[in-house]
Amino acid sequence: DTEVTQTPKHLVMGMTNKKSLKCEQHMGHRAMYWYKQKAKKPPELMFVYSYEKLSINESVPSRFSPECPNSSLLNLHLHALQPEDSALYLCASSQDPLAAYYNEQFFGPGTRLTVL
Amino acid sequence: ELKVEQNPLFLSMQEGKNYTIYCNYSTTSDRLYWYRQDPGKSLESLFVLLSNGAVKQEGRLMASLDTKARLSTLHITAAVHDLSATYFCAVDIWRGQETSGSRLTFGEGTQLTVNP
Repeated sequence: DTEVTQTPKHLVMGMTNKKSLKCEQHMGHRAMYWYKQKAKKPPELMFVYSYEKLSINESVPSRFSPECPNSSLLNLHLHALQPEDSALYLCASSQDPLAAYYNEQFFGPGTRLTVL
Repeated sequence: ELKVEQNPLFLSMQEGKNYTIYCNYSTTSDRLYWYRQDPGKSLESLFVLLSNGAVKQEGRLMASLDTKARLSTLHITAAVHDLSATYFCAVDIWRGQETSGSRLTFGEGTQLTVNP
């Protein structure tokens, strides 16, 4: 299995809802990432997990809460979002975050989130 | 702070023509990636360039890396409509094990339209 999967593909939620995005990979990768991408812009890094531990939080608002239950799974819990949080949320994984050699990231198909 | 600049940001070209997209970056790096993104879709890895002088080709696309000039190019030969997409370059710098997880810095993207 050489892919990153994400569910759901589309999500519409109200500002008072609580929802979660799910990402899974079975490539044995030890780093997983969440990105947010607005239309016609490059992806913006949100969080990095390295060996199931949160290693980077790019000053993301607390209404986004990441979780890494195991090395294959990454969740993003959403609560009290704002309409400006509507975007494509991409998950990625890479092999070994502690290695000095290149660490290519493989991206999932994304979740299109709309906040009403 | 690493900065990555792509140009042009918008490129409209006719089928059969050749063109080059440029990616300049501000800090020494020998890890550069090119991605393709179709509208509403995820990022597809095109090329991984890991050394000065690296050149890779896939079909009508050829990418090169000059680490001394901090420049990568993506050359399109005899464009066809199917190449219409947004192309991103991304640069990674090894930050040491204390900052685990590679952190890609993306260019703004080049939106390519190939017209019949």
